[in-house]
Amino acid sequence: QSVLTQPPSVSAATGQKVTISCSGSGSNIGNDYVSWYQQLPGAAPKLLLYENDQRPSGIPARFSGSKSGMSATLDITGLQTGDEADYYCGAWDTSLRSVVFGGGTRLTVL
Amino acid sequence: QVQLQESGPGLVKPSETLSLTCSVSGASVSNYHWSWIRQPPGKGLEWIAYLTRSGDTIYNPSLSSRVAISLDTSKNQVSLKMTSVTAADTAMYYCARGAVAILNYWGQGILVTVSS
Repeated sequence: QSVLTQPPSVSAATGQKVTISCSGSGSNIGNDYVSWYQQLPGAAPKLLLYENDQRPSGIPARFSGSKSGMSATLDITGLQTGDEADYYCGAWDTSLRSVVFGGGTRLTVL
Repeated sequence: QVQLQESGPGLVKPSETLSLTCSVSGASVSNYHWSWIRQPPGKGLEWIAYLTRSGDTIYNPSLSSRVAISLDTSKNQVSLKMTSVTAADTAMYYCARGAVAILNYWGQGILVTVSS
């Protein structure tokens, strides 16, 4: 049971937009920044967004994030088949004194 | 180009100690924060620990009694030791540069199986 809650799966057609949600509580998302990771099949996770909406160098603008209250969202526009992956949100939890992750969302591009 | 490479035994017996090393190139380990994360087969990510560049260590409370993270600056490596392993510790283990939830470089991971 993950501290952060994500939908297990989402799907959308090539070229479309998809939104992945991440729900937490006041001790994690409500109190700190959220990061997002992309894990392609058979690969290590890769930082996609940090501090809610900041993209590391090399991450396309098709990937964007936001946070409101105790929830965060990852938006991916112009979907490509290469975006098929598992996506994880993460944050620091001040009560648990621990980094916590969501259970992951598998994106299928139709 | 920052690169991280995990190494260690792929198979560990129950109750034994797991020792993993992360060799870093392209960055000095003493200048950054470092973390270990694991992922059981087919499951999600679990944070294990991080070590700040000032030497502070923060551990996952559920693992804190069994794990230790450290640096070897002479070899530019980050290490993880986990004692009294059980089958539940079977996972892909990743080292990463960064701390808290901002992990911007990851190793490819090493699969560790706990079995007799």
